[in-house]
Amino acid sequence: AQSVAQPEDQVNVAEGNPLTVKCTYSVSGNPYLFWYVQYPNRGLQFLLKYITGDNLVKGSYGFEAEFNKSQTSFHLKKPSALVSDSALYFCAAGGGTALIFGKGTTLSVSS
Amino acid sequence: NAGVTQTPKFQVLKTGQSMTLQCAQDMNHNSMYWYRQDPGMGLRLIYYSASEGTTDKGEVPNGYNVSRLNKREFSLRLESAAPSQTSVYFCASSGTSGRFDTGELFFGEGSRLTVL
Repeated sequence: AQSVAQPEDQVNVAEGNPLTVKCTYSVSGNPYLFWYVQYPNRGLQFLLKYITGDNLVKGSYGFEAEFNKSQTSFHLKKPSALVSDSALYFCAAGGGTALIFGKGTTLSVSS
Repeated sequence: NAGVTQTPKFQVLKTGQSMTLQCAQDMNHNSMYWYRQDPGMGLRLIYYSASEGTTDKGEVPNGYNVSRLNKREFSLRLESAAPSQTSVYFCASSGTSGRFDTGELFFGEGSRLTVL
């Protein structure tokens, strides 16, 4: 079965430190990969996507993601975290006609 | 530009009651989706519509029906609600048609449903 895994339920970082939110996928072919963010009581918002090309993808709000085909990973990164980055983050893969989502990782940035 | 609009935002039902969640998008997107979000389970696809006039089952379709009324609207119906359907429901749309490819999803604000 195709799946997307986010191994950490929660990631805690201090403001100003770099952050990484991990994602691995098990999807056939060459899937398109996405990161979405969800703030409390809101819908999901698109952050960035990887289709092909450069393994480092830059997105909204200073986020970037690194694609690693051999490890089937697509980790979300940011060089310097902000308190306002605290939210729920979802990784997703295009596995056919609809996206497959991971279970989400709560990012908590402390001041 | 409203994007994706869902109604109602909150609803409490008794077991066995029926209701319909409405969704409309004003971005002229071909594809529309219904997901449910449950704690620790992420988003799971209920049904989707790749284009006007077509609908297909997703991962968790049991207990639900959908109607793609026109290109703008995609409704989700619970015929006989059960406590297991207590969840937050999200409608989404994307600008691709047919096989999903590079389009990003645009989400509504969600509908919080409680079944007692």
